[in-house]
Amino acid sequence: GQNIDQPTEMTATEGAIVQINCTYQTSGFNGLFWYQQHAGEAPTFLSYNVLDGLEEKGRFSSFLSRSKGYSYLLLKELQMKDSASYLCAGLVAAGNKLTFGGGTRVLVKP
Amino acid sequence: GAVVSQHPSRVICKSGTSVKIECRSLDFQATTMFWYRQFPKQSLMLMATSNEGSKATYEQGVEKDKFLINHASLTLSTLTVTSAHPEDSSFYICSASWWGGAASNEQFFGPGTRLTVL
Repeated sequence: GQNIDQPTEMTATEGAIVQINCTYQTSGFNGLFWYQQHAGEAPTFLSYNVLDGLEEKGRFSSFLSRSKGYSYLLLKELQMKDSASYLCAGLVAAGNKLTFGGGTRVLVKP
Repeated sequence: GAVVSQHPSRVICKSGTSVKIECRSLDFQATTMFWYRQFPKQSLMLMATSNEGSKATYEQGVEKDKFLINHASLTLSTLTVTSAHPEDSSFYICSASWWGGAASNEQFFGPGTRLTVL
């Protein structure tokens, strides 16, 4: 199979940093996406890693290690509006499909 | 950026009726559209992949005769939930992509359709 695992929930304080880990089976994926989803809304694109290393975009950074089947999303200077679910998704090489992890609900507290 | 719309945003129907959901790519031609279903507090589950002008490819466990998908043009795909039952109540989300997209196969998501079957 091509399971993608991420923690169910995380809580952090406004202004702090939170790291959301995502692990997956190494075969069959051609890149790793991170999406943000607020309740009742569609996912919005945050990042895409296809090569090993860290990609930084403002307060959000994403890391990928293909050999370890591991990725993380780093959220810095947390704001209340960052309270949402964060979805890790692998791009399946065959069929160009996305396989989503269960999502991590992040709650930012004052 | 690439914009995808869905219609309707919410629909309530009686058990046994059929519901059609439209997914449109507004400013690009989508070679491929995907249909997902999301139950409360769960992640997105891919139902089917739809390529323009060909039959949809359904994921394991998804009934193709119950969830009819039509992708008649490069900007429109429709999902019809036939003989809907309460267990079909869910959030249905489409996404669209095209080969050679800027973000290497990025999918652009529609805003979703909340289906409630009474």
